[in-house]
Amino acid sequence: GENVEQHPSTLSVQEGDSAVIKCTYSDSASNYFPWYKQELGKRPQLIIDIRSNVGEKKDQRIAVTLNKTAKHFSLHITETQPEDSAVYFCAAITLKGAQKLVFGQGTRLTINP
Amino acid sequence: NAGVMQNPRHLVRRRGQEARLRCSPMKGHSHVYWYRQLPEEGLKFMVYLQKENIIDESGMPKERFSAEFPKEGPSILRIQQVVRGDSAAYFCASSPVGQGQNEQYFGPGTRLTVT
Repeated sequence: GENVEQHPSTLSVQEGDSAVIKCTYSDSASNYFPWYKQELGKRPQLIIDIRSNVGEKKDQRIAVTLNKTAKHFSLHITETQPEDSAVYFCAAITLKGAQKLVFGQGTRLTINP
Repeated sequence: NAGVMQNPRHLVRRRGQEARLRCSPMKGHSHVYWYRQLPEEGLKFMVYLQKENIIDESGMPKERFSAEFPKEGPSILRIQQVVRGDSAAYFCASSPVGQGQNEQYFGPGTRLTVT
């Protein structure tokens, strides 16, 4: 089955700097890769996603890149702000069969003012 | 357009009691997924349902846990004879119908505490 590894587990950056979170997946049939942001005690919120026919997608200060050959995808947050502090989860899904998300372990991002 | 609804938001049960968690998907969504999140951990898939059908329950413990999504009404995750290890946040997510429509949107979760 699918296995998703996420690094780093914690990340601390200065406000205004960029943050990068990386994930690898094992199932080459996976073709949908969402990223979720979870604030303390809140629900996971979908912030950006990418499908396997696209190499990069950008939405304002956040971007996601996908390398299908390496089975690797990354989240990039530029010009970080204090409200970006949260736990971020990557996930992968295989559209064949049951569409269950397999999540990475999460990255606790702290933005220092 | 209301999002995914879950109730109750907090549930306290004594060991051996039953817990019933409810999830109403977003309007227009007919796929429901349940995930469990232990403190300081990620989300683990439990079960995937469509109306009146369990599609994949590979992440759900074989004993004490069951799920349903009836033709009318919310999806229900039922935990019988709860134990302390069942204490966790239980999230449901829903997604739209249709090929390629695989975005999953999460509800606020039910935080189960077993005393």
